[in-house]
Amino acid sequence: EPEVTQTPSHQVTQMGQEVILRCVPISNHLYFYWYRQILGQKVEFLVSFYNNEISEKSEIFDDQFSVERPDGSNFTLKIRSTKLEDSAMYFCASSLDSGYGYTFGSGTRLTVV
Amino acid sequence: GESVGLHLPTLSVQEGDNSIINCAYSNSASDYFIWYKQESGKGPQFIIDIRSNMDKRQGQRVTVLLNKTVKHLSLQIAATQPGDSAVYFCAERTTRRTNAGKSTFGDGTTLTVKP
Repeated sequence: EPEVTQTPSHQVTQMGQEVILRCVPISNHLYFYWYRQILGQKVEFLVSFYNNEISEKSEIFDDQFSVERPDGSNFTLKIRSTKLEDSAMYFCASSLDSGYGYTFGSGTRLTVV
Repeated sequence: GESVGLHLPTLSVQEGDNSIINCAYSNSASDYFIWYKQESGKGPQFIIDIRSNMDKRQGQRVTVLLNKTVKHLSLQIAATQPGDSAVYFCAERTTRRTNAGKSTFGDGTTLTVKP
């Protein structure tokens, strides 16, 4: 069964450092998303990406965040200058169409120290 | 703004019993609803979905019911098994909006199945 792959599974970084979280969505999917989940809380929307541009972003997704699809397979989330409150699980997801459920990756646990 | 909530944060059932997990939503424009299962250390996994032109949809051992009048949906799991123990999230989407596909997730219900 096709799956969404995320790397690394765990990233520890110092406050103020830049991090790049990587995702390989399912190959024929057209919609790509980043969500995050702070420990014990609900899954929060960050950004959606379609047709090589951001479709929608939340208020969490400020100027410190950016996304990129540098080639035909990877989808990355960059946090320019990490803060302690950025510590969370970050999930990448993809879907064939905006009217379908997502396939999520297993997540990257980001710990900012 | 949009919000999606679940009635109970935890639910404990005996193996073999049926489970019912509830969710309330506030956005009248929501037209697509999804239930996800999240096991410890993993990403949410799609279970079943329902569109607003339906009020019931069945899968394998799972049924989703949608009541648009009171903005409520539920997930019923028949003959609950230990492998069903997980956190269950409902999510809603307004597909008639732009090509965003953004889903709003509820808080999650932790289902524990006792042997």
